[in-house]
Amino acid sequence: GQNIDQPTEMTATEGAIVQINCTYQTSGFNGLFWYQQHAGEAPTFLSYNVLDGLEEKGRFSSFLSRSKGYSYLLLKELQMKDSASYLCAVRDSNYQLIWGAGTKLIIKP
Amino acid sequence: ETGVTQTPRHLVMGMTNKKSLKCEQHLGHNAMYWYKQSAKKPLELMFVYNFKEQTENNSVPSRFSPECPNSSHLFLHLHTLQPEDSALYLCASSQDLGAGANVLTFGAGSRLTVL
Repeated sequence: GQNIDQPTEMTATEGAIVQINCTYQTSGFNGLFWYQQHAGEAPTFLSYNVLDGLEEKGRFSSFLSRSKGYSYLLLKELQMKDSASYLCAVRDSNYQLIWGAGTKLIIKP
Repeated sequence: ETGVTQTPRHLVMGMTNKKSLKCEQHLGHNAMYWYKQSAKKPLELMFVYNFKEQTENNSVPSRFSPECPNSSHLFLHLHTLQPEDSALYLCASSQDLGAGANVLTFGAGSRLTVL
C-alpha cells in the first residue's frame, strides 16, 4: 500500500528553527507538496519539489531525496503565526495525491 | 479568502435529514474536488470533476451525491448520513488535472456534525 509518515505533533520556540520530516512509500513519484493549515482555515500551498535538493522560499525551505523517499520542511525564525498543521502530500505514478495525516506545530513564546 | 468559498461553514443534521454543501470558485479553474478531513487522519479524496465531468468517485457511499453544474460550482448532497460521517468537508480547485505543480486551492471547509 501507499503511505506517508510525518510526526503527529511538534513543539518549538519562537525565533528558533524547526524541521518537519515526511517519509513516503508510493507507487511512483511525480512531485511532493507541502501545505499549511491554520485551525479552522483552508490548507494553503507552501512548496512543491520534484527534483532532489533544497528549495528556499523566504523563511521556509523544503528538501527532497527521491532515493530515500524523504522530504523535510524547514521553518526558520519561527513566529507565533507559524502555529498550524503542516500537510505532506505525494503525487504517485497515476497522478493521485497521497496525503500524510499532518503535523501539528505548536510555537511557544 | 482563497478564491474558493464554501457554505455553510457549520452544519448539524440528523440521520434522516437531507442537506447540501456548496462550493464556488472564482479562479477560472477547470477541476474541482471534494475531500473529507477527519481528525488525525489523512485527507480522503471523495470526488473529482474536470470540465464539469466526474472523473473520480473514490468508493464513496451513495448517501453522498455530488453535482457539478458548471466549472465554478460544486455541490455535495447529503442524505441518511451516519454519525461517522461527521468531519470537515473541504472543497478544492486546480487549473486542471495535469502534471507539474498542479496546486490545489482549498476552501475553508464545511464542518458537518451528524447526530
